[in-house]
Amino acid sequence: RKEVEQDPGPFNVPEGATVAFNCTYSNSASQSFFWYRQDCRKEPKLLMSVYSSGNEDGRFTAQLNRASQYISLLIRDSKLSDSATYLCVVKPTSGGSYIPTFGRGTSLIVHP
Amino acid sequence: EAGVTQFPSHSVIEKGQTVTLRCDPISGHDNLYWYRRVMGKEIKFLLHFVKESKQDESGMPNNRFLAERTGGTYSTLKVQPAELEDSGVYFCASSLSAGNTEAFFGQGTRLTVV
Repeated sequence: RKEVEQDPGPFNVPEGATVAFNCTYSNSASQSFFWYRQDCRKEPKLLMSVYSSGNEDGRFTAQLNRASQYISLLIRDSKLSDSATYLCVVKPTSGGSYIPTFGRGTSLIVHP
Repeated sequence: EAGVTQFPSHSVIEKGQTVTLRCDPISGHDNLYWYRRVMGKEIKFLLHFVKESKQDESGMPNNRFLAERTGGTYSTLKVQPAELEDSGVYFCASSLSAGNTEAFFGQGTRLTVV
């Protein structure tokens, strides 16, 4: 099983739709979690960190379920500019190796 | 403040040649990571520097890859000799600390080996 798994998609949604992505991780050790966004031929950029209690940033909501070892990203009222690949990133916070591990990414296409 | 910069942005070389990629992290960031993305696959970890020391190089594919970070500032990744399967986008990232902090990425070097 891969360390971080995501459905590659693509998710093809109309403007204004709500879309959710899940990401599962295999290492149950203490971790921190992030969602990154990557536009075509660009570098990944941090979208938001994921906190244990869940957190929201505008139209974006991230949640963590430690028991089931998954995190989610919800995008409400999708915009054309949301079209990108969304990368789930898991980073150990103990054990000496703090290497961010990436999922394969989920491709989102928002159409008019 | 300057972000993470990588040079070159693109490189096309022939199989068997040598290529050196450079990464300048954000000033003051002790942690520097190299990653590679092969087309259609996930971004894969190559190695991690803390200042000038290699903290973890478990992701380096083989001994044709050599990374250095002189003086704990910029880093280079040399591929010698390059093979076709080395083609991909090489990303560098830096972070202030190793724990729960954001990693900032450079724009990547797109390497094509022909």
